[in-house]
Amino acid sequence: AQSVAQPEDQVNVAEGNPLTVKCTYSVSGNPYLFWYVQYPNRGLQFLLKYITGDNLVKGSYGFEAEFNKSQTSFHLKKPSALVSDSALYFCAALQGGSYIPTFGRGTSLIVHP
Amino acid sequence: NAGVMQNPRHLVRRRGQEARLRCSPMKGHSHVYWYRQLPEEGLKFMVYLQKENIIDESGMPKERFSAEFPKEGPSILRIQQVVRGDSAAYFCASSQLETEAFFGQGTRLTVV
Repeated sequence: AQSVAQPEDQVNVAEGNPLTVKCTYSVSGNPYLFWYVQYPNRGLQFLLKYITGDNLVKGSYGFEAEFNKSQTSFHLKKPSALVSDSALYFCAALQGGSYIPTFGRGTSLIVHP
Repeated sequence: NAGVMQNPRHLVRRRGQEARLRCSPMKGHSHVYWYRQLPEEGLKFMVYLQKENIIDESGMPKERFSAEFPKEGPSILRIQQVVRGDSAAYFCASSQLETEAFFGQGTRLTVV
């Protein structure tokens, strides 16, 4: 069975500082990995994905994520945080051949001015 | 290309009534998923459908909940005899095979 863990319920960072939101996964075979962002009272918006290829994936709004197979991690990063990045972030995994993505519990990112 | 459309955005039902939530997937998408989101509980998978077929309903409560995705028209999540514990945000997503899912804005169900 596939599973996704986001070990931090909340991440606090000062504006302008780098941010990292952690995600680890448990998937058989080669995983498809995704990050989504959710703003209050809105649906989830797709940020980026890893399917194959370069371990560093670039996505929307300056976000990137690094796939680390040995550590089974897919941490979300941004070099310089903005207050407007404050939102709920979800990591998701899909096992090759499966149809149902599994989501982590979400991490609330708070960027302080 | 319109995104995933859900309606209504907000739905208030009295205990014992029925709730019908609608979802139109993105054009060209044949896979539809329903998720429920409760505060502090994250996103819980409910059901996965393709046209006219329920593929996986392992996350659906055994009673009162049903889903369909007919050949024509939107996918429907139906909750009969709603109770206060059904109050939540319900999200629909659609995708093609083995690609990212795109989400609707959700329906916020409040049972009074």
